[in-house]
Amino acid sequence: QSALTQPASVSGSPGQSITISCTGSSSDVGGYNYVSWYQQHPGKAPKLMIYDVTKRPSGVSNRFSGSKSGNTASLTISGLQAEDEADYHCASYTSSSSFGGLYVFGTGTRVTVL
Amino acid sequence: EEQLVESGGGLVQPGGSLRLSCAASGFTFSSYEMNWVRQAPGKGLEWVSFISSSDGPVYYADSVKGRFTISRDNAKNSLYLQMNSLRAEDTAVYYCARDGYQVLAVWGQGTLVTVSS
Repeated sequence: QSALTQPASVSGSPGQSITISCTGSSSDVGGYNYVSWYQQHPGKAPKLMIYDVTKRPSGVSNRFSGSKSGNTASLTISGLQAEDEADYHCASYTSSSSFGGLYVFGTGTRVTVL
Repeated sequence: EEQLVESGGGLVQPGGSLRLSCAASGFTFSSYEMNWVRQAPGKGLEWVSFISSSDGPVYYADSVKGRFTISRDNAKNSLYLQMNSLRAEDTAVYYCARDGYQVLAVWGQGTLVTVSS
């Protein structure tokens, strides 16, 4: 099973914007507009932040936005705040039968607010 | 409030079995497809299994196929994962997650499974 590739860590100062990339293939990220992003604080369950590449669930701050180009999706956090410090995971629907699955996750990115 | 609560985790020896449960509340459980996702210590998330809302398809990751069985009881608003022939690499926090058409919209708090002698 090949996970989607994310940078291990990204950091920024309060108020800045950061972008996290998520690179897959034409069988997942590039082939479907079903990329989602999840925020996970230490010891807590993941929380949905973005779905269908660009959509925000009710209650999620508009400081979080998503996009996609080719086989790479991105999550941008603008106006970085202390509470944004967490792990972020991307996920995509996949048609790949290499692991018999429906969803493939990214390797995860630790966001640090300096 | 929409809620999922997992239970059944614990310490089990290699080769042993364990059954996880996930109790749903605050939404019409029978209308939703469900998933199990796991996270090994210090690692990323890994999708494990999917089950349709009623009698329908189930899917498994290759890493658990033939050893794990997903099931549900809509009358009890519950999701299950029967795990057999457990291995050390199955050690993880197991989350149940509600499917929302190619998105995992609602997650439980997770239950820890440790496979060790």
